[in-house]
Amino acid sequence: DAGVIQSPRHEVTEMGQEVTLRCKPISGHDYLFWYRQTMMRGLELLIYFNNNVPIDDSGMPEDRFSAKMPNASFSTLKIQPSEPRDSAVYFCASRGGRQSTDTQYFGPGTRLTVL
Amino acid sequence: SQQGEEDPQALSIQEGENATMNCSYKTSINNLQWYRQNSGRGLVHLILIRSNEREKHSGRLRVTLDTSKKSSSLLITASRAADTASYFCATDGRDYNQGGKLIFGQGTELSVKP
Repeated sequence: DAGVIQSPRHEVTEMGQEVTLRCKPISGHDYLFWYRQTMMRGLELLIYFNNNVPIDDSGMPEDRFSAKMPNASFSTLKIQPSEPRDSAVYFCASRGGRQSTDTQYFGPGTRLTVL
Repeated sequence: SQQGEEDPQALSIQEGENATMNCSYKTSINNLQWYRQNSGRGLVHLILIRSNEREKHSGRLRVTLDTSKKSSSLLITASRAADTASYFCATDGRDYNQGGKLIFGQGTELSVKP
């Protein structure tokens, strides 16, 4: 199993540009989570999906952020327009069961730099 | 706001020594988990302890949980240079409708010197 796959691994863009981050969860996992990690705020949950349906997006910072999961094997996190304060590492994680006791498997992350 | 608070923020020890990291949290939990993050990588699950458990072992890892104090500790015995990483505690809430989402602490950065 290839694990959770994220692309790109690094993204450098200029303020105002649209950024799209991609995630492929582990096959068969029906929960998908998007996190953001910064030095100041640590690891924050942005949004999570169950069976491709967004369940809780209360962590999404503002309307500039949007996430979709068109099918069980693909999700995107979009920032439009991007700002320098969006610079962070964005992680995607997937989980195979409903309970919090089921392990979340993290991808390698996308390091985003907005100039 | 973050559920878990960890201390110390950074810990530097010699290979062979034991490393202890602590985590405090604010609300009632069903379980507490510890994750490890190597530099530039994603988080990897290490161990889970349920709210009705007090201690759990896995290899060189020992986790304790004190629900009355809302705190947990992670002990790594006989540390190795390869244990150098950041360690995070993560808690869930008692609301099953939350689908088991986790809230992570700020992490402890462990450096093990050979």
